[in-house]
Amino acid sequence: DARVTQTPRHKVTEMGQEVTMRCQPILGHNTVFWYRQTMMQGLELLAYFRNRAPLDDSGMPKDRFSAEMPDATLATLKIQPSEPRDSAVYFCASGFRSRDSPLHFGNGTRLTVT
Amino acid sequence: EDQVTQSPEALRLQEGESSSLNCSYTVSGLRGLFWYRQDPGKGPEFLFTLYSAGEEKEKERLKATLTKKESFLHITAPKPEDSATYLCAVRIQGAQKLVFGQGTRLTINP
Repeated sequence: DARVTQTPRHKVTEMGQEVTMRCQPILGHNTVFWYRQTMMQGLELLAYFRNRAPLDDSGMPKDRFSAEMPDATLATLKIQPSEPRDSAVYFCASGFRSRDSPLHFGNGTRLTVT
Repeated sequence: EDQVTQSPEALRLQEGESSSLNCSYTVSGLRGLFWYRQDPGKGPEFLFTLYSAGEEKEKERLKATLTKKESFLHITAPKPEDSATYLCAVRIQGAQKLVFGQGTRLTINP
């Protein structure tokens, strides 16, 4: 079974440090999404890409978050500088651009900022 | 504003005790309603997609139904391995993204 791969699985860092999370979408999928999950807010969309172009990043704090797709096999989410309120599980998901296509999720990066 | 509300927040059942989870939605135009299962420490796993009122999908002990305002996930004779958080999400017209509800945490006791 093809899966979305995310690294690292866990990250503990100090406030103010840069954090980079990586995602390898399922081969052939042309849409990639970044979601954040917390107990209070549930799953929130941060950004998404189609054919590597950013379509919507309105869910991201622009001053500290950035998302890119350097190539079709890699998506990155960076936080600089990180803050304790960024502590959450960050999920990457990929799919095809069609109404029939569900999103397939990775197992997430659990980020703790102290 | 597009909104998805799931109830109850948590549900505890005995093995074999059937029940239903609810997902109500308010969206400008529905392109699809999706059900996912999430186990602790894992990402959401796709279960079903429903597109129009009256549609039903089944998989093992799970059956999902859709009306114009809500969806139900029926669980028949559940087993402990059905314990998980069940998430509902909608895809609205003109967008590819999914908007998720808060989920229902289901526990099946042996």
